[in-house]
Amino acid sequence: NAGVMQNPRHLVRRRGQEARLRCSPMKGHSHVYWYRQLPEEGLKFMVYLQKENIIDESGMPKERFSAEFPKEGPSILRIQQVVRGDSAAYFCASSPQREAEQFFGPGTRLTVL
Amino acid sequence: GQQLNQSPQSMFIQEGEDVSMNCTSSSIFNTWLWYKQEPGEGPVLLIALYKAGELTSNGRLTAQFGITRKDSFLNISASIPSDVGIYFCAAYSGGGADGLTFGKGTHLIIQP
Repeated sequence: NAGVMQNPRHLVRRRGQEARLRCSPMKGHSHVYWYRQLPEEGLKFMVYLQKENIIDESGMPKERFSAEFPKEGPSILRIQQVVRGDSAAYFCASSPQREAEQFFGPGTRLTVL
Repeated sequence: GQQLNQSPQSMFIQEGEDVSMNCTSSSIFNTWLWYKQEPGEGPVLLIALYKAGELTSNGRLTAQFGITRKDSFLNISASIPSDVGIYFCAAYSGGGADGLTFGKGTHLIIQP
């Protein structure tokens, strides 16, 4: 039973470039959540998606950030024109239903130079 | 926005000691969860609590969902070196608010 998979584990981008983070949920899970963690902080919710639909994006910055979860393939979190303040660990979680018990992947550490 | 106040921020204890940490909020939640995170990894779910007053154990870990639905605590008995890590409380409202709200974590450091 594979857990939640995220890649890449580490990503380095220069200011102004695009970052694409991928998440494959656990087998049988169709609900995906993205969170951001700054150093010495807890995780902050960004967006919740089901297959092909964004359900709750209340934590997503209004500009430069977007997320998708296509019918086939992983969920993608895209950050356009990255700035230094985007440097953080981005975690994906999945669940079998719309619920509290969310299982997290190992995260992608984004560094913006 | 909703906030969880987690304490203590860090704990330095001797191996074999019991540990207690807690989380409070001014908001009511329907589910409380406790996660553990180790360096370079994602949070791992330890315990989930669904009813006010519920007391649940997972090995040496015991957690409770407060009666007011605004707080929770986690106890670890007879700590061992592999308990080292950051423990996060998280809470869930549901009803359209699908993200977990996290505390800032308790760093547990164990001295042999």
